[in-house]
Amino acid sequence: DAGVIQSPRHEVTEMGQEVTLRCKPISGHNSLFWYRQTMMRGLELLIYFNNNVPIDDSGMPEDRFSAKMPNASFSTLKIQPSEPRDSAVYFCASKRGQLNYGYTFGSGTRLTVV
Amino acid sequence: RKEVEQDPGPFNVPEGATVAFNCTYSNSASQSFFWYRQDCRKEPKLLMSVYSSGNEDGRFTAQLNRASQYISLLIRDSKLSDSATYLCVVNMGTARQLTFGSGTQLTVLP
Repeated sequence: DAGVIQSPRHEVTEMGQEVTLRCKPISGHNSLFWYRQTMMRGLELLIYFNNNVPIDDSGMPEDRFSAKMPNASFSTLKIQPSEPRDSAVYFCASKRGQLNYGYTFGSGTRLTVV
Repeated sequence: RKEVEQDPGPFNVPEGATVAFNCTYSNSASQSFFWYRQDCRKEPKLLMSVYSSGNEDGRFTAQLNRASQYISLLIRDSKLSDSATYLCVVNMGTARQLTFGSGTQLTVLP
């Protein structure tokens, strides 16, 4: 089991540039979650998918953020244009079946927007 | 009021000490409860689920009090390797997603 795979591990970009974060969930997991973590706000849910369908995107901060899940094995989170306040660690997590088993997180993407 | 509240700490304890963390949650309809552990610059990892009757996993004991909407984690005989941030996590009612507390930082000192 390779776990949840995120790329890139680190991203440094200039303000105004487009940023795309990638996630491959664990095979067989049917729910996928994107979280953002900062010192000030902790872990915040941005969006989650169930069976590739976006269920709740109320946590997406603004229109600059978009997420897709074209198939069961791949999801992207895009920020366009990026701003310094978007600097954070972005985690992808997946789960299968009942919530009682919790989530498995990827290693995260550390994004710095300068 | 935050949906899930934890004492941020930090807790600095000597090796071998017993330490307890507390957490309160706002939604009385919450159904599932967990403790996650997050090491510095790493992802959160599931430590243990929390069951209504309380449950134990080695040196770790989790308790749930639904009436008070309160969860606790007790660590006995703490080890240096227990140093981490402990996140209280709740499934808020019918929502499928989990809500994370801001975490309690623990440092076990030699």
